[in-house]
Amino acid sequence: EDQVTQSPEALRLQEGESSSLNCSYTVSGLRGLFWYRQDPGKGPEFLFTLYSAGEEKEKERLKATLTKKESFLHITAPKPEDSATYLCAVLTDSWGKLQFGAGTQVVVTP
Amino acid sequence: DADVTQTPRNRITKTGKRIMLECSQTKGHDRMYWYRQDPGLGLRLIYYSFDVKDINKGEISDGYSVSRQAQAKFSLSLESAIPNQTALYFCATSAGSSYEQYFGPGTRLTVT
Repeated sequence: EDQVTQSPEALRLQEGESSSLNCSYTVSGLRGLFWYRQDPGKGPEFLFTLYSAGEEKEKERLKATLTKKESFLHITAPKPEDSATYLCAVLTDSWGKLQFGAGTQVVVTP
Repeated sequence: DADVTQTPRNRITKTGKRIMLECSQTKGHDRMYWYRQDPGLGLRLIYYSFDVKDINKGEISDGYSVSRQAQAKFSLSLESAIPNQTALYFCATSAGSSYEQYFGPGTRLTVT
């Protein structure tokens, strides 16, 4: 059975304190890995798609990387506005169905 | 204006009542999805549709039904609501050429 596990469940950072979130997966055939940001009371917002091991994508203070078993979301010099829950999801079939992890809640304090 | 809208945004209902959640999109996407989100469990797929005539069950479809009235509209119904259907419900869309899904703002449903 396909599984997606995110760690840690929660992360508290000081402003400027860089860190990484982990998304590990066991799937029969990875066709893509997605990162989303979710603010309280809102729907998930698409950030990145990674398709193959070694691929990297960047957006402002966020950088996503992918290996054959896991993906990392690196947050460099975070600001309070980076506080959110970050979700990863894997695509394992051609129908477009995503399987989501439970998320990592990030709080950045001034 | 939002590309994916959901109504209502909040709903409180009683056990046994029928309720419908509606989703509309202006993105022109052909694929639409319904998810529920529970604390600690992440997003789970209820139903998905690739066009008006193609509707498929997801991971947790029991107790739910859907209707794709048009390319832009996808409704989720709870025929007889029960308390463990209390959750956040999200609609999402994607284009056939891309697997990126775009989410609506969600409906918070409470069944008492």
